[in-house]
Amino acid sequence: AQSVTQLDSQVPVFEEAPVELRCNYSSSVSVYLFWYVQYPNQGLQLLLKYLSGSTLVKGINGFEAEFNKSQTSFHLRKPSVHISDTAEYFCAVVGDSSYKLIFGSGTRLLVRP
Amino acid sequence: EPEVTQTPSHQVTQMGQEVILRCVPISNHLYFYWYRQILGQKVEFLVSFYNNEISEKSEIFDDQFSVERPDGSNFTLKIRSTKLEDSAMYFCASSLTSGGAGDTQYFGPGTRLTVL
Repeated sequence: AQSVTQLDSQVPVFEEAPVELRCNYSSSVSVYLFWYVQYPNQGLQLLLKYLSGSTLVKGINGFEAEFNKSQTSFHLRKPSVHISDTAEYFCAVVGDSSYKLIFGSGTRLLVRP
Repeated sequence: EPEVTQTPSHQVTQMGQEVILRCVPISNHLYFYWYRQILGQKVEFLVSFYNNEISEKSEIFDDQFSVERPDGSNFTLKIRSTKLEDSAMYFCASSLTSGGAGDTQYFGPGTRLTVL
């Protein structure tokens, strides 16, 4: 069965610093990978997704992620974070024989002034 | 921008009672989903629904759960006899026409269900 591991439950970082949120997935023939963000008291919003093609995916709010098949990773990065990026970030995968999203446990990004 | 809406935002119920959680998916979407997140745990898939049928369900989605699209706009999740362990945030999602695995699922803000 597919699975997703987010290695960090919480990542504190200072404003304007770079950040990387880590995500690893279990290997499969083909996968579709997603990053969602959840701001306080809101639903899940798609940041970006990887389906195929270029391994570097750019998303909203200045985030990007790199698909690395050999390391089965899909880490999320931002070169300079803002206070408003404080939120919970979820990595998710969909296997090619299913439409359901399988989520990681989430990483809370805490941006400090 | 179109969005998925859910009502109520918070539902409190007594154990053993029936609850219905309501969702209005994005209007031109054809695939609908329910997920839940127990406090401090992962977001978990419950069920997907297409063409008035369940297309996939998880082990969690037992006989106590049912889904329905009673009209052209609403999508509901019913829990027949709630248990304490059903307390969670329930998210509705919808995706566009093809329902391909890479389609973006758009999530609603969630309904927090508290079972006492």
